[in-house]
Amino acid sequence: KAGVTQTPRYLIKTRGQQVTLSCSPISGHRSVSWYQQTPGQGLQFLFEYFSETQRNKGNFPGRFSGRQFSNSRSEMNVSTLELGDSALYLCASSFDRPYEQYFGPGTRLTVT
Amino acid sequence: AQSVTQPDIHITVSEGASLELRCNYSYGATPYLFWYVQSPGQGLQLLLKYFSGDTLVQGIKGFEAEFKRSQSSFNLRKPSVHWSDAAEYFCAVVVDVTPGGGADGLTFGKGTHLIIQP
Repeated sequence: KAGVTQTPRYLIKTRGQQVTLSCSPISGHRSVSWYQQTPGQGLQFLFEYFSETQRNKGNFPGRFSGRQFSNSRSEMNVSTLELGDSALYLCASSFDRPYEQYFGPGTRLTVT
Repeated sequence: AQSVTQPDIHITVSEGASLELRCNYSYGATPYLFWYVQSPGQGLQLLLKYFSGDTLVQGIKGFEAEFKRSQSSFNLRKPSVHWSDAAEYFCAVVVDVTPGGGADGLTFGKGTHLIIQP
């Protein structure tokens, strides 16, 4: 069974731009969660989607948003990029409840 | 809110020696507990999990972890490390905050960087 895939793997954007990251979960998994990883703050929960609905949200500004499609694929969007948004963005999927989560390789976003 | 503490930022172990990585959590009820490993430039790989039952759980790559409720700990162990075990290790917890719904996302510790000496 294929694992969680994320595209693109690397991205360089300029401050003020917006970016969209994509995540395809493991087949059959309906819950998708997003995390931000930075050297200073570590791993932080962004939000979780289940059946196309945001079920939980972490403590991030509204510039961070996401959505989930009927095939469980998910996207996250960051608008008005700031330098501090430079991070590794990880997507994780699980069957239904977000307990046993399986992570993708991440998207490395660099904001200049 | 729950929190996870990994007191050791770096640990250096000789190849073939035993390993124990510490993890303490702060939460009133028993959370679901996990250990993940991350190699440079990679995502997180699930090593093992504890939901309930036997407090000693076995994982992949020869790792095990023991849940101790009285100490709020979930320490990771391996009897003999290999050079390929060098990586960042994260302890994580998740709790039910929405009955019948989702959880509040995984809460991670800051990680322990494992260095293997030849």
